[in-house]
Amino acid sequence: GAGVSQSPSNKVTEKGKDVELRCDPISGHTALYWYRQSLGQGLEFLIYFQGNSAPDKSGLPSDRFSAERTGGSVSTLTIQRTQQEDSAVYLCASSLEAGANEQYFGPGTRLTVT
Amino acid sequence: ILNVEQSPQSLHVQEGDSTNFTCSFPSSNFYALHWYRWETAKSPEALFVMTLNGDEKKKGRISATLNTKEGYSYLYIKGSQPEDSATYLCAPTTDSWGKLQFGAGTQVVVTP
Repeated sequence: GAGVSQSPSNKVTEKGKDVELRCDPISGHTALYWYRQSLGQGLEFLIYFQGNSAPDKSGLPSDRFSAERTGGSVSTLTIQRTQQEDSAVYLCASSLEAGANEQYFGPGTRLTVT
Repeated sequence: ILNVEQSPQSLHVQEGDSTNFTCSFPSSNFYALHWYRWETAKSPEALFVMTLNGDEKKKGRISATLNTKEGYSYLYIKGSQPEDSATYLCAPTTDSWGKLQFGAGTQVVVTP
């Protein structure tokens, strides 16, 4: 079946512009996660959705970052007024349920802020 | 933020040799321990999810053990093959929401 998909695969934007990153999870997966890997850094958690609610937003680095999930499916991560330090690979993962379950990762969006 | 340490940072293995490496994490507030394999230009792939002290999991030539009391997990690769070349990441979770807190990974290079 279809896995997790993300779009765009690559995004180059100018500093100060807003960007939207999209994630389509595996159908039926109720839990959805966003992570990112900045250059030279490990993977870091950003936000967790259960259905359309986000009970854990603790990893969002600033109020320029926001995310939503609609219909218990697609999620969009929005970064406003992008900065160079936002350059990273943004990964989305979904899981049938939260808890001790495997998370299935998408291919990621590579964001470059110039 | 959890202090998750993986060692070694990298290792080079001859094809056919076996190897192992370590993930250490705080033993308090433990919920589960995930292992992922991340090959270049691909998505991270789940290997194991382990929850109980003493758990042992196996997938083909790869296996893992878990000690929650002392806060460590070992991952073993038996008879390494070039296709095992990847970065292996461990990620404990501390609650039922499943927020993964990744270590920096162990990069494995298997040479023919």
